[in-house]
Amino acid sequence: DVKVTQSSRYLVKRTGEKVFLECVQDMDHENMFWYRQDPGLGLRLIYFSYDVKMKEKGDIPEGYSVSREKKERFSLILESASTNQTSMYLCASRRTGSTDTQYFGPGTRLTVL
Amino acid sequence: GEDVEQSLFLSVREGDSSVINCTYTDSSSTYLYWYKQEPGAGLQLLTYIFSNMDMKQDQRLTVLLNKKDKHLSLRIADTQTGDSAIYFCAERYNFNKFYFGSGTKLNVKP
Repeated sequence: DVKVTQSSRYLVKRTGEKVFLECVQDMDHENMFWYRQDPGLGLRLIYFSYDVKMKEKGDIPEGYSVSREKKERFSLILESASTNQTSMYLCASRRTGSTDTQYFGPGTRLTVL
Repeated sequence: GEDVEQSLFLSVREGDSSVINCTYTDSSSTYLYWYKQEPGAGLQLLTYIFSNMDMKQDQRLTVLLNKKDKHLSLRIADTQTGDSAIYFCAERYNFNKFYFGSGTKLNVKP
């Protein structure tokens, strides 16, 4: 089974702090994704990566950056956390193949005070 | 982005069938998916349907696709309390781009 793990289930940070969310997958997937999930809005794509050191902006990249130095690890960085970044963050990975879907981690609930 | 719309809530009695509906707007979508999210967990893929199909059945789950109306539905037969969760439909319109609906919270009453 594919396993996608996220470093924290719950995180509380203060406004202005730099925040790192880590995601690791163990199935050698080429593609990795970061979404945020907000009630009534579903999942919105922040960034994705299709290879090591490669990244593309999703629909809401403002205020975020990402890093993919190794194939199995994809990090989401909030350079200066703000209260409107309080949300559930979901990481996903996917093999490059026409039928392959995304496999999701359990999520990190981030609260910015 | 494209709009994928779902109703927010559905309540059914245990043993009844549940039907969760979804509309999407991108006619070039290749695959459409249904995911389940249990409390405190990530999304788990339930099933998917390729855009040239109109129906797919998998045990208690039936997916119907009306491509002309851009309407997707998920029917759960003999709904159980363990089916209580949030259900998301998603369309894949590009190699790595998926649009998700807002999720339908299914409440199954005993």
